[in-house]
Amino acid sequence: EPEVTQTPSHQVTQMGQEVILRCVPISNHLYFYWYRQILGQKVEFLVSFYNNEISEKSEIFDDQFSVERPDGSNFTLKIRSTKLEDSAMYFCASSERGFGDGYTFGSGTRLTVV
Amino acid sequence: KQEVTQIPAALSVPEGENLVLNCSFTDSAIYNLQWFRQDPGKGLTSLLLIQSSQREQTSGRLNASLDKSSGRSTLYIAASQPGDSATYLCAVHGSGNTGKLIFGQGTTLQVKP
Repeated sequence: EPEVTQTPSHQVTQMGQEVILRCVPISNHLYFYWYRQILGQKVEFLVSFYNNEISEKSEIFDDQFSVERPDGSNFTLKIRSTKLEDSAMYFCASSERGFGDGYTFGSGTRLTVV
Repeated sequence: KQEVTQIPAALSVPEGENLVLNCSFTDSAIYNLQWFRQDPGKGLTSLLLIQSSQREQTSGRLNASLDKSSGRSTLYIAASQPGDSATYLCAVHGSGNTGKLIFGQGTTLQVKP
């Protein structure tokens, strides 16, 4: 069964450093998403991406966050200057048609900011 | 603003028992509802997707129902097994021009041998 692949599985970074989380969505999917889950809290939406642009973002997704699809297969989330409160599990998801379609999630990247 | 609530927060049952997990949402205008399983420290595995026009979906020992007008969904697990131990999340895909899922906080299930 097709999978969404995320790398790395765990990343530790110093506060203030930049991190890039990587995702390879399912090949025929057109809609891409990032979600995060702070330990013990709900999974929360960050951003959706379609046709090479952001289609929606949450209040969490401020100027320190950015997303990019640098080639035909990768989808990245960049955090420019990490803060302690950015520590969370970050999930990438993709969907073939968006509305009305189920989402396939990756296994996540655990980001720890120290 | 859509809010999703899951009850109970935790559940412990003996192996073989049938059980029901509950999910409620405040805005009935949804495209669909999806149930996920999350193992500790792991990703989200999709279990069932119910479109707003459907009443239920089944996959093996799992059955999910949807009552959109009352803002409720249930996940029924038949003949529970220790391998079913995990956190179960429900998420609604709202209508309107939004692609995001709104998640509940999950029900953590422990099935004892």
